[in-house]
Amino acid sequence: QGQLVESGGGLVKPGGSLRLSCAASGLTFSDHYVSWIRQAPGKGLEWVSYISGSGLSIYYADSVKGRFTISRDNAKKSVFLQMNSLRAEDTALYYCARDAVPGNYPNWLDPWGRGTQVTVSS
Amino acid sequence: DIQMTQSPSSLSASVGDRVTITCRASQNINTFLNWYQQKLGKAPKLLIYGASKLQSGVPSRFSGSGSGTDFTLTISSLRPEDFATYFCQQSYSTLITFGQGTRLE
Repeated sequence: QGQLVESGGGLVKPGGSLRLSCAASGLTFSDHYVSWIRQAPGKGLEWVSYISGSGLSIYYADSVKGRFTISRDNAKKSVFLQMNSLRAEDTALYYCARDAVPGNYPNWLDPWGRGTQVTVSS
Repeated sequence: DIQMTQSPSSLSASVGDRVTITCRASQNINTFLNWYQQKLGKAPKLLIYGASKLQSGVPSRFSGSGSGTDFTLTISSLRPEDFATYFCQQSYSTLITFGQGTRLE
């Protein structure tokens, strides 16, 4: 069964940086868009960013534009989220999810990872 | 942004009950609506895509319907493993958005 596994979360001070990773196994990856989605405590899901299979098409939510950078390494079947200038409001559980239809976006997301927790606090 | 409004936010039900959850979009999204199940500490799981298409491996007691702005997820007869949070997602717009979730307890 294919899966995605996130890592890299942790506790960081405001203004700090973290780099999240999303590793795929057992599923096709290089042709698919991948998104990062977050869920703050007690809140709903918020889409953060996507990257196309080639890495040439990238998009960010306004709330993270200029601070977060998404990238991917298809040889390692991984997607990354570099998060700089972190704020308290970035505190959330961060999920990666694969867009189910190769070469196309947006569609339904399958699979998702279990998430990695990011906490921004002094 | 397309706003997705789910109701109810929580729902108390019993094993064997028929349950319906509603998702309303702030504009016409055709049938670009997907449903997921989320259990604590686990990855969200796709149930329904394209408003009414059952994802492979998902039990047939789950069904989805609707188009335009109003959509429903129905569980025909609740099983113990169905107690979870359910949320909708629109894939009509590049800026995908989600409902706030319905907790089934």
